[in-house]
Amino acid sequence: NAGVMQNPRHLVRRRGQEARLRCSPVKGHSHVYWYRQLPEEGLKFMVYLQKENIIDESGMPKERFSAEFPKEGPSILRIQQVVRGDSAAYFCASSPGTGDGRTEAFFGQGTRLTVV
Amino acid sequence: GDSVTQMEGPVTLSEEAFLTINCTYTATGYPSLFWYVQYPGEGLQLLLKATKADDKGSNKGFEATYRKETTSFHLEKGSVQVSDSAVYFCALSSSGTYKYIFGTGTRLKVLA
Repeated sequence: NAGVMQNPRHLVRRRGQEARLRCSPVKGHSHVYWYRQLPEEGLKFMVYLQKENIIDESGMPKERFSAEFPKEGPSILRIQQVVRGDSAAYFCASSPGTGDGRTEAFFGQGTRLTVV
Repeated sequence: GDSVTQMEGPVTLSEEAFLTINCTYTATGYPSLFWYVQYPGEGLQLLLKATKADDKGSNKGFEATYRKETTSFHLEKGSVQVSDSAVYFCALSSSGTYKYIFGTGTRLKVLA
């Protein structure tokens, strides 16, 4: 009964390094969403992907951030040249492909990124 | 644009007290409404949901009713337990979309 699996759970990077966050959706789910939670704040939508396609990246910072969801393997959120302000919890969610906006999303446990 | 407003926390209650966490929303169309709960160090878990006006979602003693006339989805529980201590997020998903708008969360602390 595997849910959404994210790894690593905790990630420490020095300023200027790259961070790669992985998300394996619920088996059979083809839609993945990434959210960022800054300390003491709610979750903010970043990007929505289907297999091999970015559907909506309206919440992604324009620079240094990218996401992919390949045909095989997990979804990856990549942050290049990290800065202290990137320190946050990054959550991945998945849902089955209905597209009618009424499907609930299942969330992973998150990756807590700390930039030192 | 769409938005969700939650009452600010933290909320501190004694065990067996009555809980209300207010949530109001702004949205075009007819969104689905959700309450998610986040326990310390964990991800979000769906607590309950409602997809149309006057629907009542319920789970584990928690309830919330979708009130279109007041654009509200307040979370209630008649008797809280220490194990209910967590952060509660109200969220909406607008019809035809696939992403969630979250409130800022309300931290609940229940004392024995």
